Amino acid sequence: QKEVEQNSGPLSVPEGAIASLNCTYSDRGSQSFFWYRQYSGKSPELIMFIYSNGDKEDGRFTAQLNKASQYVSLLIRDSQPSDSATYLCASYSGNTGKLIFGQGTTLQVKP
Amino acid sequence: DVKVTQSSRYLVKRTGEKVFLECVQDMDHENMFWYRQDPGLGLRLIYFSYDVKMKEKGDIPEGYSVSREKKERFSLILESASTNQTSMYLCASRDTSHEQYFGPGTRLTVT
Repeated sequence: QKEVEQNSGPLSVPEGAIASLNCTYSDRGSQSFFWYRQYSGKSPELIMFIYSNGDKEDGRFTAQLNKASQYVSLLIRDSQPSDSATYLCASYSGNTGKLIFGQGTTLQVKP
Repeated sequence: DVKVTQSSRYLVKRTGEKVFLECVQDMDHENMFWYRQDPGLGLRLIYFSYDVKMKEKGDIPEGYSVSREKKERFSLILESASTNQTSMYLCASRDTSHEQYFGPGTRLTVT
């Protein structure tokens, strides 16, 4: 079982819609969670992090964490074609001291 | 802003050559990492370092070594490059709140 799982997609949404990206993790000791955006040929860019259960909003982005269900999500409101990228979910494990990355979900926002 | 720089964006080397990839961060982070990223395989951790002169093997250390003589600099060494080491190499540095920042990446081709 992969430690952090994401649907590879592609997830296709029309411009202006809400994109919902999901991630599950297996290590209950995971303390914090991160969302990275990676454009083709570029390196991952940190866009959101969340430590506590509930929602965290930053502009058009909302991260949601449910530790009981071991589930993290990223909502992108008013999606733009420039949001088209691969989104990587990562969890930090205090046991290993490492970030564990999912395989990423490819998002396509169509004009 | 955190800045992680890598010595080369693109590199072409011949089989058997010794290859040095350099990474420098300017935020006094103790933790630094080297990953490789390949299509379909995601991010894979090669080596990491928690402090100067300290190093730990990641998931795929074979064929690689590292050096950390100064806090801001973490070098990845391919002792004898092989074609299966053709990849995107990503350096990252991490702060105490576990936020991890990536450099721009080095796309290495071994012919």
